[in-house]
Amino acid sequence: GAVVSQHPSWVICKSGTSVKIECRSLDFQATTMFWYRQFPKQSLMLMATSNEGSKATYEQGVEKDKFLINHASLTLSTLTVTSAHPEDSSFYICSARVSGDYNSPLHFGNGTRLTVT
Amino acid sequence: QKEVEQNSGPLSVPEGAIASLNCTYSDRGSQSFFWYRQYSGKSPELIMFIYSNGDKEDGRFTAQLNKASQYVSLLIRDSQPSDSATYLCAVISNTGKLIFGQGTTLQVKP
Repeated sequence: GAVVSQHPSWVICKSGTSVKIECRSLDFQATTMFWYRQFPKQSLMLMATSNEGSKATYEQGVEKDKFLINHASLTLSTLTVTSAHPEDSSFYICSARVSGDYNSPLHFGNGTRLTVT
Repeated sequence: QKEVEQNSGPLSVPEGAIASLNCTYSDRGSQSFFWYRQYSGKSPELIMFIYSNGDKEDGRFTAQLNKASQYVSLLIRDSQPSDSATYLCAVISNTGKLIFGQGTTLQVKP
């Protein structure tokens, strides 16, 4: 149980284009999902909290107009990187909790490696 | 001060030895603590979580928590080369967010 599926696994795009990443909870419902970003040899940094049916909450320094998050259903959250630039190249990982208890573990998707040329 | 601190390593141990990974955190009100393992190029996978002071054992893994010292550790017994990875300590903040340390790279040498 507790499978989080993320698609695509990797994507290469040209500078200035937009990329959409999907995150699905396959065997549970997730009212909240979390989007992390990881640069090489660095730890995971929380970008935003995705809330089903309402606006996402962004961490300080993360541009909400650049990283569009939509959480339209209890099993799907999407992250769209708009007008991507080479500095956006990173490993993007989504996660979710099975339980509504915020002390319970997060389960992670397999991540999406974005390369912007 | 970082919210969650780990020594980046690498920590090198021989096969069969005990690997000891340490983590400190700054928020005294934190209640939940997690250890994730991350292989290169992959996403983190949960190894253990611990909520109460003391030890929690699961197979070759033991998590230890000391809230008074704000210290969490992970012991790996009988280390195997397949245990070579980056180990991430994570703590739930008082806002419910999971905050990660920078990770410790473990190398188990055959």
